Amino acid sequence: AQSVAQPEDQVNVAEGNPLTVKCTYSVSGNPYLFWYVQYPNRGLQFLLKYITGDNLVKGSYGFEAEFNKSQTSFHLKKPSALVSDSALYFCADNNDMRFGAGTRLTVKP
Amino acid sequence: SQTIHQWPATLVQPVGSPLSLECTVEGTSNPNLYWYRQAAGRGLQLLFYSVGIGQISSEVPQNLSASRPQDRQFILSSKKLLLSDSGFYLCAWSVGAGIQPQHFGDGTRLSIL
Repeated sequence: AQSVAQPEDQVNVAEGNPLTVKCTYSVSGNPYLFWYVQYPNRGLQFLLKYITGDNLVKGSYGFEAEFNKSQTSFHLKKPSALVSDSALYFCADNNDMRFGAGTRLTVKP
Repeated sequence: SQTIHQWPATLVQPVGSPLSLECTVEGTSNPNLYWYRQAAGRGLQLLFYSVGIGQISSEVPQNLSASRPQDRQFILSSKKLLLSDSGFYLCAWSVGAGIQPQHFGDGTRLSIL
């Protein structure tokens, strides 16, 4: 079965430090991997996606993600975290409309 | 520009009562439409999706049903709510599927008493 997994329920980082939110996938064929962010009591917002081409994709709000086929990963990264980045982040396999369980990112001042 | 509206934002219903949640999309034609449930602020569970008027695919057999009476209208219903139906319900749309992102409404928080 195709799926994505987010191994961390919670990630805490200090403001100004780099952040990484992890996602691994198990997809046969070519994966369509997406990252979304959710703020409290709101719907999900699209951040970035990997379909094909360059393994490093850049998205909204300074986020980027690297598609790594050998490690079957698609980790979300940002060089310098902001307090306003605190939210719930979801990795998704858009082919199958399946979402990871979510990772709650907290950025502390 | 495209917009998606969901209402109501919050709803408190007694066990056994009916349910109707509505979602409408503006600014696009023939969108794919989706209903998700999110429990306890965590992962999303796809409930239904639709690729056209009257075409509904159910992902999880349960107490809920969906209908698409018009191109940009998607309705989630139940005849008799259960306690386990509590949750945060999200509607979304996309242009086709796969390579295009989904665009989400702001959800309905449903509490069953």
